[in-house]
Amino acid sequence: DAKTTQPPSMDCAEGRAANLPCNHSTISGNEYVYWYRQIHSQGPQYIIHGLKNNETNEMASLIITEDRKSSTLILPHATLRDTAVYYCIVRVDTSGATNKLIFGTGTLLAVQP
Amino acid sequence: GAGVSQSPSNKVTEKGKDVELRCDPISGHTALYWYRQSLGQGLEFLIYFQGNSAPDKSGLPSDRFSAERTGGSVSTLTIQRTQQEDSAVYLCASSLRMNTEAFFGQGTRLTVV
Repeated sequence: DAKTTQPPSMDCAEGRAANLPCNHSTISGNEYVYWYRQIHSQGPQYIIHGLKNNETNEMASLIITEDRKSSTLILPHATLRDTAVYYCIVRVDTSGATNKLIFGTGTLLAVQP
Repeated sequence: GAGVSQSPSNKVTEKGKDVELRCDPISGHTALYWYRQSLGQGLEFLIYFQGNSAPDKSGLPSDRFSAERTGGSVSTLTIQRTQQEDSAVYLCASSLRMNTEAFFGQGTRLTVV
């Protein structure tokens, strides 16, 4: 079970910020939120992850609510190359079988020119 | 190599034949995953190797599927007596440790005719 809920699709205008939501209401205290994306015909690509605090890197920002039951991935200036399926995943950060990455159905982000 | 390498990139086989798919992870990565992705579908977890621990085989769909990881490096996914429903892209990923980002290969496209 993916343990996350995401909208199946979203549109975004090129140059605008893309805000992708994810619900993970059953998240445990030791579970991180990870985001990956998969551009058509390619393998998935890691974007960012976080536990409690908001995180930012060269690709995106991750905003996690205080109760940790939901999060938002923000692409600040979307380009056509950001068109992809975006996956939100929760996983524990310890060794063992429960650490495996389980992908849900994701959100298809279509960046429009 | 710089990334995860999978071979062959494409494989066409006749129904009932056995196939072997190879994954060369990034050097030094202790965790290795296999997934499959049918056309237009999400990623289905198959198996997960972590260091010297027993692999998590919970995602293998039937006993026709097996995987090995020799010497903690190269992995081979074997499908015996292939069926048409086995047609999919088989993706391999590796990560430095169990709790770090996973890097994916480009996949092997398997077609069973």
